[in-house]
Amino acid sequence: DTEVTQTPKHLVMGMTNKKSLKCEQHMGHRAMYWYKQKAKKPPELMFVYSYEKLSINESVPSRFSPECPNSSLLNLHLHALQPEDSALYLCASSRGLAGGESRNEQFFGPGTRLTVL
Amino acid sequence: AQKVTQAQTEISVVEKEDVTLDCVYETRDTTYYLFWYKQPPSGELVFLIRRNSFDEQNEISGRYSWNFQKSTSSFNFTITASQVVDSAVYFCALRAGFQKLVFGTGTRLLVSP
Repeated sequence: DTEVTQTPKHLVMGMTNKKSLKCEQHMGHRAMYWYKQKAKKPPELMFVYSYEKLSINESVPSRFSPECPNSSLLNLHLHALQPEDSALYLCASSRGLAGGESRNEQFFGPGTRLTVL
Repeated sequence: AQKVTQAQTEISVVEKEDVTLDCVYETRDTTYYLFWYKQPPSGELVFLIRRNSFDEQNEISGRYSWNFQKSTSSFNFTITASQVVDSAVYFCALRAGFQKLVFGTGTRLLVSP
């Protein structure tokens, strides 16, 4: 099973709402990632979790709050977003072997298309 | 610093034509990994291939083939006898050490019947 699932597929929220994006993988991967992708642009890394610990935060505003409850799940909590945060949010996972992580391909989910009104 | 350049923004071909997507990379690391991903309109990035810096053998998988040349820092991707289902955005990416995965800007391929 080489699948990463994400829910919801689409999300529309107001600037005062609180919502969460969810990601799940059952490949035994120990590294999980959140990316943001604007239209006609490549994905931009937001966060990396390695062995359930946050290892990279790419200077993401605090209105985005990641959480890794266990090795299979990754959440992204959203609060007080701005219209410019509208984008496709992609989750990915990889094996996460220490020292050799760069060789491991990342497997991506289908994404959540977020619209902030 | 790592950098990936995909100079072709968009390519249009007719079905059954061969098409090559160019990828040029920059890195100072001697050990690095190159990747190609396909992103169809549905949005999911689909992993296609990984190549490490010590393996310059070309690879063929069905209608897909990849040409890795360290001398020109290029990792080009060819689709033979293109099909409508090949229409997508294709990203070349590079990763070295503990650096993040660096994507090129992508090439949009349109295959018409």
